[in-house]
Amino acid sequence: AQRVTQPEKLLSVFKGAPVELKCNYSYSGSPELFWYVQYSRQRLQLLLRHISRESIKGFTADLNKGETSFHLKKPFAQEEDSAMYYCALINTNAGKSTFGDGTTLTVKP
Amino acid sequence: ETGVTQSPTHLIKTRGQQVTLRCSSQSGHNTVSWYQQALGQGPQFIFQYYREEENGRGNFPPRFSGLQFPNYSSELNVNALELDDSALYLCASSPKGRAQGAYGYTFGSGTRLTVV
Repeated sequence: AQRVTQPEKLLSVFKGAPVELKCNYSYSGSPELFWYVQYSRQRLQLLLRHISRESIKGFTADLNKGETSFHLKKPFAQEEDSAMYYCALINTNAGKSTFGDGTTLTVKP
Repeated sequence: ETGVTQSPTHLIKTRGQQVTLRCSSQSGHNTVSWYQQALGQGPQFIFQYYREEENGRGNFPPRFSGLQFPNYSSELNVNALELDDSALYLCASSPKGRAQGAYGYTFGSGTRLTVV
């Protein structure tokens, strides 16, 4: 069974501080992992994919297969980063996806 | 390029009734997934449709069923509604076939279903 755990429901940092949103997963195969973000009154949108190894809006995420983690990081948080963040795992063979319960990030001025 | 659109936006139904929710996928996307999101939780995967066939299903009972049409739009049908079915139902589309996950999903705004 595949599972995604986001241990922090709420995370609060000050503007300019580093931020790390944790994501741990359980999956027997090679995972496809994603981070999605939902800003206030907006729909859920893709932030980044592990397969592309990209940096979006200053955020990066590294897949650590040994620790089964896919933490989202940003060195200097901005107020506009305040949002709900979801980690997701997709099993492309079975067409199944699993989302974590999300972390609400608040960046204080 | 149009995004994913869902209808209706809100719906109130009585326990035991049936409901149909609709989703138009983003232009160029041929795969549609449906999710149930309860308050305070992440989206729970219901099923996915590709080329008009279900090709993945989560832990939902058979009274949750779906369709995908030749234009890639989709419907989610729920029979014998229960109070616990009250939730936000999200539709998401993606651009490829069986390897669709690698590209991520584009989400609609959802349909808020309330069962009374």
